[in-house]
Amino acid sequence: KAGVTQTPRYLIKTRGQQVTLSCSPISGHRSVSWYQQTPGQGLQFLFEYFSETQRNKGNFPGRFSGRQFSNSRSEMNVSTLELGDSALYLCASSPISGQGSTDTQYFGPGTRLTVL
Amino acid sequence: AQKITQTQPGMFVQEKEAVTLDCTYDTSDPSYGLFWYKQPSSGEMIFLIYQGSYDQQNATEGRYSLNFQKARKSANLVISASQLGDSAMYFCAMREVMDSSYKLIFGSGTRLLVRP
Repeated sequence: KAGVTQTPRYLIKTRGQQVTLSCSPISGHRSVSWYQQTPGQGLQFLFEYFSETQRNKGNFPGRFSGRQFSNSRSEMNVSTLELGDSALYLCASSPISGQGSTDTQYFGPGTRLTVL
Repeated sequence: AQKITQTQPGMFVQEKEAVTLDCTYDTSDPSYGLFWYKQPSSGEMIFLIYQGSYDQQNATEGRYSLNFQKARKSANLVISASQLGDSAMYFCAMREVMDSSYKLIFGSGTRLLVRP
């Protein structure tokens, strides 16, 4: 079974631009979560989607948004990029991710975004 | 709020020896899950092992085992017979339940270097 895939793997943008990152979950997984990883803040939760609905969002400004399609693929968008948005963006998928679930989140290789 | 603490920023181990990576956690929930992930320099987070709070036995997966001490709120990862390919960042994480789903709370990580 193919793992989580993320595209692109590397991205360089300038301040003020916007960017869209893509994530394809493991086949059959319906929940997709996004995390931001920076040297200063570590790994932080961005948001989680299930059945095309955002169920939860982390403490990030409204410039960070996302969506999920009917095939469970997900995209996240960052508008008006700032230097501090430079990070590794990781996507994770799990089968259900219900409240009482013991599901494991499986991560993709990440997209490394550099904002100049 | 839930919290994960990893107090070892970096560790060395000789090839073929065992190593223990420390993780302590703080939560008021009686039901919780603990995970360990490995992150090589490529960036991908690789799931290693899971321990549920109600699991009677310590989790094991091949060369990985989890030394779960509930009263001490610790979940240390033990890697036996270290290999050069084990050199990576290791993250301990806890599942935090939110409304209808969950997110992972990560520790700051431990960088392991295996010496030949």
